[in-house]
Amino acid sequence: GAGVSQSPSNKVTEKGKDVELRCDPISGHTALYWYRQSLGQGLEFLIYFQGNSAPDKSGLPSDRFSAERTGGSVSTLTIQRTQQEDSAVYLCASSLDGTTLSEQYFGPGTRLTVT
Amino acid sequence: GENVEQHPSTLSVQEGDSAVIKCTYSDSASNYFPWYKQELGKRPQLIIDIRSNVGEKKDQRIAVTLNKTAKHFSLHITETQPEDSAVYFCAATPRAGGTSYGKLTFGQGTILTVHP
Repeated sequence: GAGVSQSPSNKVTEKGKDVELRCDPISGHTALYWYRQSLGQGLEFLIYFQGNSAPDKSGLPSDRFSAERTGGSVSTLTIQRTQQEDSAVYLCASSLDGTTLSEQYFGPGTRLTVT
Repeated sequence: GENVEQHPSTLSVQEGDSAVIKCTYSDSASNYFPWYKQELGKRPQLIIDIRSNVGEKKDQRIAVTLNKTAKHFSLHITETQPEDSAVYFCAATPRAGGTSYGKLTFGQGTILTVHP
């Protein structure tokens, strides 16, 4: 079946602009995660959605970052007033049920470059 | 919060040798420890995981060991092959319940190169 998809695959934006990154999880997966991977670094947790529960936003680095998950499926990560340090690969993952430690399947990522 | 340290940052071995990557974690409540492999330009993929009720798990050439007392876990790859070359990440989940249940804290990654 279809895996996790993300769009766009690459995004170049000017400093100060807003960007929206999209994630389509695997159908039926109730848990969705956003991570950030900077060059040569590990994956940094950003935000976690589980069903209809309030999201865990503890990893968002600043109030310029926000995310939504509409209808329990597609998620959008928004970065306002982008800065050069926001340049990274943004990875989305989904799992069947976040409360059972089910495997997280990653999308291909969106490479964001802020010039 | 949870902190995961991973060593070494780079590892170079000859084909057929074994490779060992080690991670330590700080939160004694962590109870799930997955390992991900990320090939160049590709997404991370789960290769093996271990839960806190076991000490070792094997899957063909890959094994993971867990020492909860010392708060460290290791990935062992035997009979390495060039296609094992990739970045490997360890991770830990810090809680057993609540909204942070699935959240993973990752190590910094190990670049493994297997020379033919």
